[in-house]
Amino acid sequence: GENVEQHPSTLSVQEGDSAVIKCTYSDSASNYFPWYKQELGKRPQLIIDIRSNVGEKKDQRIAVTLNKTAKHFSLHITETQPEDSAVYFCAASMSGQNFVFGPGTRLSVLP
Amino acid sequence: EPEVTQTPSHQVTQMGQEVILRCVPISNHLYFYWYRQILGQKVEFLVSFYNNEISEKSEIFDDQFSVERPDGSNFTLKIRSTKLEDSAMYFCASSAMGQGNQPQHFGDGTRLSIL
Repeated sequence: GENVEQHPSTLSVQEGDSAVIKCTYSDSASNYFPWYKQELGKRPQLIIDIRSNVGEKKDQRIAVTLNKTAKHFSLHITETQPEDSAVYFCAASMSGQNFVFGPGTRLSVLP
Repeated sequence: EPEVTQTPSHQVTQMGQEVILRCVPISNHLYFYWYRQILGQKVEFLVSFYNNEISEKSEIFDDQFSVERPDGSNFTLKIRSTKLEDSAMYFCASSAMGQGNQPQHFGDGTRLSIL
């Protein structure tokens, strides 16, 4: 089955700097890759997603890139703010299959 | 913006007892899911449900678990004989189409504590 790895497990950046979180997946049939942000004690919230027919997608300060050949995808957050501090989870899925989540990255944005 | 709602927010139960966790998915969504998150760990898939039947389940979803859509709005997860290791946050999610193609929207979760 699908296996998703995520790095780093923790990341601290200064406010205003960029943050990059990387995920790799094992099953080349996976074709949908969402990113979720989870604040302490709250629900996971979708922040951006990408499908396998696209190499990059951007939404304001957030972007995701996908390399299908290498089976990895990355989340990029620019101009980080303290409210970006949270745990970020990547996930991979195939059509009609369940989401397999990565282990998460705890991002801390230091003022 | 429509949301997935879950009740109760916190459930405390004695080991061996049955619990039912309730969810109201977003009204025009057709696919429903339950996930589990043990404290400090990643979100784990339990089961997906479509057209009044289970479409997929993980190895975590064994015989002690069951799901039901008893009416047009609720989606429930039942754990028949709870164990200590069932203590976790349980999230319900829904999507408009098949989970591989559309984002899933999560509820706030039910924190289940087994004593």
